[in-house]
Amino acid sequence: DGGITQSPKYLFRKEGQNVTLSCEQNLNHDAMYWYRQDPGQGLRLIYYSQIVNDFQKGDIAEGYSVSREKKESFPLTVTSAQKNPTAFYLCASNPLGGDTQYFGPGTRLTVL
Amino acid sequence: AQSVTQPDIHITVSEGASLELRCNYSYGATPYLFWYVQSPGQGLQLLLKYFSGDTLVQGIKGFEAEFKRSQSSFNLRKPSVHWSDAAEYFCAVGHNNAGNMLTFGGGTRLMVKP
Repeated sequence: DGGITQSPKYLFRKEGQNVTLSCEQNLNHDAMYWYRQDPGQGLRLIYYSQIVNDFQKGDIAEGYSVSREKKESFPLTVTSAQKNPTAFYLCASNPLGGDTQYFGPGTRLTVL
Repeated sequence: AQSVTQPDIHITVSEGASLELRCNYSYGATPYLFWYVQSPGQGLQLLLKYFSGDTLVQGIKGFEAEFKRSQSSFNLRKPSVHWSDAAEYFCAVGHNNAGNMLTFGGGTRLMVKP
């Protein structure tokens, strides 16, 4: 089955710790995205990547970092600099030139 | 800058009743418009999209949406709601037909009364 996998589904961390969220896709898509979702605020773009070894900041990149070493993987690190990291994080992808983003199931991060 | 407004945060309808979810956008060029649905704790699923052509677009699960340029709107409709339609619905506008750089509205949570 082709799709986007995000793991884990739930993640708990202590304040001040960095944490990395996984996103893997086997759709052979070129572009990948990370969004943050908070109640009543819709989805906000954190980072995106259109090609391996290249990525750009989205609207709320502060306190986050990403890498794109492989086409199928786009991990997101939530650093201790992110002031309010508790949220639902969604990964998405689309083929370059494609018209629709496809979403993973999400990871809910809770920082205690 | 582009923006999307979904004026209704919550909507409750009775099962079998008709539904209309509102979406207004602000975008300088011809917009590419999407409606996604999200079940609790899940990712987003595409319901339908508009790029050009016929302003009434059909989607999955019996949903349709109508693009009205004069009103900058892309409202989602369904003639008869089922209990399984209870979810959160997001309208989004894209920069171009590559689906890149989507800007989402705040979402509308739909509840269905039996």
